[in-house]
Amino acid sequence: DTGVSQDPRHKITKRGQNVTFRCDPISEHNRLYWYRQTLGQGPEFLTYFQNEAQLEKSRLLSDRFSAERPKGSFSTLEIQRTEQGDSAMYLCASSFRGIAGVYNEQFFGPGTRLTVL
Amino acid sequence: TQLLEQSPQFLSIQEGENLTVYCNSSSVFSSLQWYRQEPGEGPVLLVTVVTGGEVKKLKRLTFQFGDARKDSSLHITAAQPGDTGLYLCAGGENSNSGYALNFGKGTSLLVTP
Repeated sequence: DTGVSQDPRHKITKRGQNVTFRCDPISEHNRLYWYRQTLGQGPEFLTYFQNEAQLEKSRLLSDRFSAERPKGSFSTLEIQRTEQGDSAMYLCASSFRGIAGVYNEQFFGPGTRLTVL
Repeated sequence: TQLLEQSPQFLSIQEGENLTVYCNSSSVFSSLQWYRQEPGEGPVLLVTVVTGGEVKKLKRLTFQFGDARKDSSLHITAAQPGDTGLYLCAGGENSNSGYALNFGKGTSLLVTP
């Protein structure tokens, strides 16, 4: 399977705990995105990497959130001191930025469903 | 901030009926993508439209991008229960730092046998 994978698929945690999610993009894709989706809403952009560089962060990404992509391949998203409002589906997407590309089709993983009790 | 408005929000129809869902914005997008999402899963890309006035067909699905690249529609002919899902439109702009997609809230479609 060469699609985007995410781990874990589900995470239940208590308020105040730290959680970490992993995303493995499609292997040849150099761009990786994190989105958050709450019930009844479309996905909202959190942050974006081109190779290992984190190039953009949304205002939604508070200082409790940190993302890394250390070798330009997989990425992790960590949430520290989780709050109930962090409960959501966390989606990862990847795309390929070619020389001639002016737009990039993003392919999403299955998501990680986080529930903060 | 959601820049894309989708309508209707919910749609329940019977198998065999036709339907159209809409995606509207006050902003111009360099491209617009349609996704379908099933409960508990990530969005699956259906199509990307780039050129104003462009029409693309995917079996029984027809996608159109408005001339001004601000709106789009998805028409499904002879809907089937397998078409059930959340249809999301997403627009993007190619900025210096990336290409974050702006999503609408989606149209939730239920097709009953």
